[in-house]
Amino acid sequence: QKEVEQDPGPLSVPEGAIVSLNCTYSNSAFQYFMWYRQYSRKGPELLMYTYSSGNKEDGRFTAQVDKSSKYISLFIRDSQPSDSATYLCAMRLSGYSTLTFGKGTMLLVSP
Amino acid sequence: ETGVTQTPRHLVMGMTNKKSLKCEQHLGHNAMYWYKQSAKKPLELMFVYSLEERVENNSVPSRFSPECPNSSHLFLHLHTLQPEDSALYLCASSQDLAGLSSYNEQFFGPGTRLTVL
Repeated sequence: QKEVEQDPGPLSVPEGAIVSLNCTYSNSAFQYFMWYRQYSRKGPELLMYTYSSGNKEDGRFTAQVDKSSKYISLFIRDSQPSDSATYLCAMRLSGYSTLTFGKGTMLLVSP
Repeated sequence: ETGVTQTPRHLVMGMTNKKSLKCEQHLGHNAMYWYKQSAKKPLELMFVYSLEERVENNSVPSRFSPECPNSSHLFLHLHTLQPEDSALYLCASSQDLAGLSSYNEQFFGPGTRLTVL
């Protein structure tokens, strides 16, 4: 079983749709959870991070962590064509810098 | 220059060549990282440096040799690479290594797209 599972997509949605991106993981010791956005020919940039379980909202983006199910989600409301990118989930143990990434989900938002 | 910069952005090399990738961070950070990003695979951490000392080496073949002369610069020296080493090589930096109770964001550069013929 891979440590972090993420559907590679592509996920195609029309502009204005609500997007749900997800990752599952196997190591219950992960404590920090992150979502990165990576545009074509660019490096990943941090979008959201959460510590342990719960929700976090930032503008159109909401990150959710359900540690009991070992499942994390990123919701994008009112999606825009500029949101078209690959979204990578990442997580790490407390006290360790090593990030464990998912493969990334390619999102395409059409006007 | 701001953030994390990487040069060159693209590199094509033969299996017998020797080349180096360069990373520079302008953020005053103390920790730097090399990652490999291959198609349809998760990012793989290769090396971690903290205050110019290598603190992590994730079973990377010896044909990849990192160098960190100071806390702002990180190099990846390449020699006798294989075609399967073709990938996007990303450099990242963070303020420090992650502590027990702190979040420590890693900032990524744009990467070097490496093709080994």
